[in-house]
Amino acid sequence: GDSVTQMEGPVTLSEEAFLTINCTYTATGYPSLFWYVQYPGEGLQLLLKATKADDKGSNKGFEATYRKETTSFHLEKGSVQVSDSAVYFCALSPNQAGTALIFGKGTTLSVSS
Amino acid sequence: DGGITQSPKYLFRKEGQNVTLSCEQNLNHDAMYWYRQDPGQGLRLIYYSQIVNDFQKGDIAEGYSVSREKKESFPLTVTSAQKNPTAFYLCASGGQGAHEQYFGPGTRLTVT
Repeated sequence: GDSVTQMEGPVTLSEEAFLTINCTYTATGYPSLFWYVQYPGEGLQLLLKATKADDKGSNKGFEATYRKETTSFHLEKGSVQVSDSAVYFCALSPNQAGTALIFGKGTTLSVSS
Repeated sequence: DGGITQSPKYLFRKEGQNVTLSCEQNLNHDAMYWYRQDPGQGLRLIYYSQIVNDFQKGDIAEGYSVSREKKESFPLTVTSAQKNPTAFYLCASGGQGAHEQYFGPGTRLTVT
């Protein structure tokens, strides 16, 4: 079945460092891909999305590119801030809209000043 | 303000008691979902509903029940049959034809 694998954390960085969180997926067809962010004690917020191959999703300085040839959707940010400290989830939605998302296990990011 | 509300934020129950978690959305979304989150395990699907009066079991439906009598509401009941109910429960909704989902703030249930 479909699945998402993301790098295990925690990822610990200093402020202004470059961030990469790896995400790869297994799916039939052409899934949509997402990154969600969760701050402590809160629900998930949609960070960015991509719906087809070579699409780049971006938001708040974060970017991810849908790479079908490597089945990847790595999250990047050029300069992290302390306020970016959170748990990041990679997710996919199979071909059919309205079905449940499939999530990776999440990666905890901790940024220190 | 459009969004998803879950109440209460924290819930405490004794073993053997059923408890109902509320989820309401005013986004006019057709689909609604319940997920369970445990530390280090990501999110797991409990139930989902694509339309009023219809719902499907997810991966971990045992010990849970739902209803969908109104488009805006999708309550989840955690029954006494759920062996390990202590967790963070997240409700989400999605528009017709859309793949992305939007989440509520969650309810943390503790059963002792």
